[in-house]
Amino acid sequence: DTGVSQNPRHKITKRGQNVTFRCDPISEHNRLYWYRQTLGQGPEFLTYFQNEAQLEKSRLLSDRFSAERPKGSFSTLEIQRTEQGDSAMYLCASSLFPLVYEQYFGPGTRLTVT
Amino acid sequence: AQTVTQSQPEMSVQEAETVTLSCTYDTSESNYYLFWYKQPPSRQMILVIRQEAYKQQNATENRFSVNFQKAAKSFSLKISDSQLGDTAMYFCAFITHSGAGSYQLTFGKGTKLSVIP
Repeated sequence: DTGVSQNPRHKITKRGQNVTFRCDPISEHNRLYWYRQTLGQGPEFLTYFQNEAQLEKSRLLSDRFSAERPKGSFSTLEIQRTEQGDSAMYLCASSLFPLVYEQYFGPGTRLTVT
Repeated sequence: AQTVTQSQPEMSVQEAETVTLSCTYDTSESNYYLFWYKQPPSRQMILVIRQEAYKQQNATENRFSVNFQKAAKSFSLKISDSQLGDTAMYFCAFITHSGAGSYQLTFGKGTKLSVIP
């Protein structure tokens, strides 16, 4: 069990550019979640996958955001035409549903939009 | 709306002392799970302790224990024999079960705990 990993750990981009983040969950976990955490706040839910199916998206996930989980393994989160308000920590978590309910988090990708 | 409130933005405790972090939540559901997560500076979030709402017995994990008051919707975390490594942001969270069955976590804003040598 190597834990949840995320890449890159830090990303600095200019407004209007596209960025993509990757998350590798714990290998046997079937559920994968994306959260966003801004400074001084707790994480907020963005979307989740059950295997390869994206089953729910938060209203926080605007049309500029897209997520995929091909083959039910790793996941990518893409932000198009980044805005300064997108600056945040993007967290990935995975769980083995319904065996356990707790989610295990990766280290996050810190995005800074200049 | 389902919410989590942590009323103590910052707390400090002397090493080896005991500290209690407060959390209240609001949900209309009767079956749910509560968690405390720890986020050390520049490090990833880790699970400290979990509590099933249907269990009356308070969860304990080594130096960490909870006081779960279901009627009051209160879920406090007690840390005994505080250690320097306990310095971190602590988030209270619970699983919400949306119509789509996501079991997404709802978090509070966190309490920054500093353990003083």
